[in-house]
Amino acid sequence: EAGVTQFPSHSVIEKGQTVTLRCDPISGHDNLYWYRRVMGKEIKFLLHFVKESKQDESGMPNNRFLAERTGGTYSTLKVQPAELEDSGVYFCASSRRVLAGNSYNEQFFGPGTRLTVL
Amino acid sequence: DQQVKQNSPSLSVQEGRISILNCDYTNSMFDYFLWYKKYPAEGPTFLISISSIKDKNEDGRFTVFLNKSAKHLSLHIVPSQPGDSAVYFCAASALGAGNQFYFGTGTSLTVIP
Repeated sequence: EAGVTQFPSHSVIEKGQTVTLRCDPISGHDNLYWYRRVMGKEIKFLLHFVKESKQDESGMPNNRFLAERTGGTYSTLKVQPAELEDSGVYFCASSRRVLAGNSYNEQFFGPGTRLTVL
Repeated sequence: DQQVKQNSPSLSVQEGRISILNCDYTNSMFDYFLWYKKYPAEGPTFLISISSIKDKNEDGRFTVFLNKSAKHLSLHIVPSQPGDSAVYFCAASALGAGNQFYFGTGTSLTVIP
C-alpha cells in the first residue's frame, strides 16, 4: 500500500507570506496527525483529525495556523501569515481507527515538509 | 515542559557491539511507549513499542526495557550494524490523550564499521 505522502517537500517563503502544506494519509486511515520539528528539538504534536473532525488541536501554536480535512481524506495545513519561528519540518502521520478503548495503533509518518521562513 | 527527554544527542558504537539508547519521561499517566527510527530526508518509522504492563519487549536485534518506577526506558540494539545509523526518537502516549504521541529530541546513532 502507498505510504503517507506530503507536498511540497520543501518550501521557502518570506515572512508575512502564506503557505499551504498538504498531506495524503494512507488510504482507509481515519486518524490523521500533524507534527512539527523545529531544528534539533523534539517532534511536537500539532493536531489530530478523526475523519474530517478535529479531535484535538491543543498543539496548534496560534491562530495563524489552520488545518482542514474536508471529506476525511487529505489534509491541508495553512500558515498565514508566516513568521520566522514557523520554520521547521512539518510531519503528517496517519493510523487506523482504534477499535477498542484501550489499544493504540501505530502511526505511519510521511517524509515531512521542510518550511523555511526568511 | 518537555515530558519525554533524550539526554544524549549522539552515540557512536562499533559494529557488532551493543547500542543502548536512553529515554526518560515525567508524566506518570503514560502507558504506551515507542521507538521510532529516522533516516535523513525521511519520516520517522516505527521500530518497537512496549505497554506499561510489561517491562521488556523484544523484536529480533531490538529490545526495549521499561522501568516504570524510574520513569525510564531504553532501547538495546544487539548486534549493531552500520544500517542502524539513524536518529532514534523515543515517544510516549496516554490513554485519553487521543493517541497523541509525545516525542523526545532524538539520539543520533552512528555505527562504525
